[in-house]
Amino acid sequence: QITLKESGPTLVKPTQTLTLTCTFSGFSLSTDGVAVGWIRQPPGKALEWLTIVYWDDDKRYSPSLKNRLTLIRDSSRNQVVLVMTNMDPVDTATYYCAHGTRRPSCSGGTCYHFDYWGQGTLVTVSS
Amino acid sequence: QSVLTQPPSASGTPGQRVTISCSGSSSNIGSNTLNWYQQLPGAAPKLLIYNDNQRPSGVPDRFSGSKSGTSASLAISEIQSEDEADYYCAAWDASRKGPLVFGTGTKVTVL
Repeated sequence: QITLKESGPTLVKPTQTLTLTCTFSGFSLSTDGVAVGWIRQPPGKALEWLTIVYWDDDKRYSPSLKNRLTLIRDSSRNQVVLVMTNMDPVDTATYYCAHGTRRPSCSGGTCYHFDYWGQGTLVTVSS
Repeated sequence: QSVLTQPPSASGTPGQRVTISCSGSSSNIGSNTLNWYQQLPGAAPKLLIYNDNQRPSGVPDRFSGSKSGTSASLAISEIQSEDEADYYCAAWDASRKGPLVFGTGTKVTVL
């Protein structure tokens, strides 16, 4: 059974750095065809993809946020850590981590879909 | 941030067929497959359709996906009250290490 859970602060101040941890079970991020991604959703707004780390440690980042994002993989602890610098009130959102699966007969980073999601954690940016 | 366009809302009475569109470009829908996610009120998104028209195990067959060119559609045949939710399409951008782009989202109401 695949599960993921996000953890971290619920409130951060503007300009601070946000560190969120995704702790997962039921799969190994070292398995070919597996990935873990982060997606966020501001209150009442649409989903926004942030980043993904693949089984081979390749990573992709949102072009608009890549200068602020770092993704750290800790396979021994079954965790993926998202670091976002210089937080702003517009970054207030629910942050989700999700398990990615590569579809059959496909190779490359665009072959993945997110088939299991964490419950999400609401992060508010306010002074 | 969304580059895939969806209608803000759609509705139908129980048993009706409801269709949601998703419009993109040659660099996303035109180049890669499309996935659909369902988000029930207060819940995390759930994968509904992947690879344009494939349903994960457990997804009812009243949900179906299709794609043509740079546009895609999600159809809910015989809509039920429990289908009231927000729906998002998503596709990878074709540029090197390109991002995943989500649609603007469609709120489906069962009247």
